[in-house]
Amino acid sequence: DTGVSQDPRHKITKRGQNVTFRCDPISEHNRLYWYRQTLGQGPEFLTYFQNEAQLEKSRLLSDRFSAERPKGSFSTLEIQRTEQGDSAMYLCASSSGTGENEKLFFGSGTQLSVL
Amino acid sequence: AQTVTQSQPEMSVQEAETVTLSCTYDTSESDYYLFWYKQPPSRQMILVIRQEAYKQQNATENRFSVNFQKAAKSFSLKISDSQLGDAAMYFCAYKRRSQGNLIFGKGTKLSVKP
Repeated sequence: DTGVSQDPRHKITKRGQNVTFRCDPISEHNRLYWYRQTLGQGPEFLTYFQNEAQLEKSRLLSDRFSAERPKGSFSTLEIQRTEQGDSAMYLCASSSGTGENEKLFFGSGTQLSVL
Repeated sequence: AQTVTQSQPEMSVQEAETVTLSCTYDTSESDYYLFWYKQPPSRQMILVIRQEAYKQQNATENRFSVNFQKAAKSFSLKISDSQLGDAAMYFCAYKRRSQGNLIFGKGTKLSVKP
């Protein structure tokens, strides 16, 4: 068990470009979450999956954002036509269990800089 | 809507001393969970301690304990015998039982002086 893995660790892109991030959860974890964290703020929820089903999406997730989790394993988060306001750290977390037995494990994040 | 407020942007403690980080939250729910997460410079969020709202007993994990005041909607974290490795950002978070996502506060940066 190597923990939650996110790739890349850093991404620099120009405004208007598309970017895609990958998250590999802990194996056998059925829930996967995406959060966004800007400087000086706590993480903000974006979306989450239970297996391959996307069960919740935040209003923060505009139509330029799309997330997938094919086959209920790894997940990708794509941002189209990036804007400077998308600059943030994107955190992924996975968990098993539900309710009081659920425990989230976070990855180290992907730091996105949009120039 | 639920909100989480951490009123202390920064705190400092002497090594081996005790420090308390404050957190208040707002909710109309009765069944929820509260958490404290630690985020060191490595950026990986690590769960420190959790509290179920239906439990009156305050949670403890080694040097970490909470003071949960449900009526006041207050959830403070006490760190005893502070160590240099405790230096990090600390985030208070809330989760409804029926919902998957966590709602985080803005965090408190804790410094530990040797």
